[in-house]
Amino acid sequence: TAGITQAPTSQILAAGRSMTLRCTQDMRHNAMYWYRQDLGLGLRLIHYSNTAGTTGKGEVPDGYSVSRANTDDFPLTLASAVPSQTSVYFCASSDSPQSTDTQYFGPGTRLTVL
Amino acid sequence: GQNIDQPTEMTATEGAIVQINCTYQTSGFNGLFWYQQHAGEAPTFLSYNVLDGLEEKGRFSSFLSRSKGYSYLLLKELQMKDSASYLCAALDSNYQLIWGAGTKLIIKP
Repeated sequence: TAGITQAPTSQILAAGRSMTLRCTQDMRHNAMYWYRQDLGLGLRLIHYSNTAGTTGKGEVPDGYSVSRANTDDFPLTLASAVPSQTSVYFCASSDSPQSTDTQYFGPGTRLTVL
Repeated sequence: GQNIDQPTEMTATEGAIVQINCTYQTSGFNGLFWYQQHAGEAPTFLSYNVLDGLEEKGRFSSFLSRSKGYSYLLLKELQMKDSASYLCAALDSNYQLIWGAGTKLIIKP
């Protein structure tokens, strides 16, 4: 099984442009998450979804939006990218929300905003 | 505030033992995770502790002391492939993971 896939693998984006990072899981997990990982900092939660049709804000949601139209897909959109959004973005999923279930991570998207 | 502290970098020798420490301060506590992350790759699950004590899983063991807000990951018989970052994460009262910045472990032959 593929687990979690993310696309694109990497991207260079001009400041002010919009972009959607894609995330798809085939494990039928209820909960999905978007994190950013920056050097010297821990993973920071951007947005999450406990189940299809619901989303919530994490620690650093400003400048990002998400949707969860179905169980499998959880896209992250940057409406107008800024250089501070340069980061590695990881999508993750877990079987149950708000639980001790292990989170499984996608391979990441490396985004550079110039 | 909520905080996770772990050393930035550690160096160890192939075949040796290394202990990576993690201290945490969270609003409530529902357990502690350790993840391994090789350079350029995704984090992968290593262990989960919610009760005090040591849990052993092959060459890797994880320890938790809830009263001290302290955990460690013990890696035995180090192999070159163990060179990676090790991420400590605590689950708070809202079941949100609070992540440390990670400890980069360098293994030397």
